[in-house]
Amino acid sequence: AQTVTQSQPEMSVQEAETVTLSCTYDTSESDYYLFWYKQPPSRQMILVIRQEAYKQQNATENRFSVNFQKAAKSFSLKISDSQLGDAAMYFCASSNTGKLIFGQGTTLQVKP
Amino acid sequence: KAGVTQTPRYLIKTRGQQVTLSCSPISGHRSVSWYQQTPGQGLQFLFEYFSETQRNKGNFPGRFSGRQFSNSRSEMNVSTLELGDSALYLCASSLDSLKETQYFGPGTRLLVL
Repeated sequence: AQTVTQSQPEMSVQEAETVTLSCTYDTSESDYYLFWYKQPPSRQMILVIRQEAYKQQNATENRFSVNFQKAAKSFSLKISDSQLGDAAMYFCASSNTGKLIFGQGTTLQVKP
Repeated sequence: KAGVTQTPRYLIKTRGQQVTLSCSPISGHRSVSWYQQTPGQGLQFLFEYFSETQRNKGNFPGRFSGRQFSNSRSEMNVSTLELGDSALYLCASSLDSLKETQYFGPGTRLLVL
């Protein structure tokens, strides 16, 4: 069975600084997808970034980038130039059958 | 394109009642998945419908059921509500969840008293 683990329940970062959120996963599949979703206080889940496991190149989306280490089954999210609007709960998720398996989430606080 | 919409946004029910939640996917999306979010269990997959067929199912009791219509709109039904069913129910749509990204609606917050 697939599992996703986020070991940091809470993180904080100073505005304009960089923060990295950790995620490890376990799967026996060779073809799968990894995601980071953001859930602000409104509870709306918003896609941050997506990575296909067969791609070696790390995905990037503006200030958001991932460090995908397939052998180590690690998928961390780096947020550069943190902004107040980045404050939210971040969920790491994996999928290979269309079913998203989520980690427990990391609450990110951004300090002005 | 309009995003995923869910109705109602908030709902209060009593134990033993049943409830139906609705989800309208992004136009052109044929896959609709449902997730339950609670503080204790986190985000858990309920089921997925693709082209009116249930394609995937999570580990929830039979009280939780769903269906999908020909226009891809989906409904989720919970019968004989229990206090533990209080949760945020999230719907997500995609072109095909097997390979494509799932986009979430705003959720329906259900409170069972």
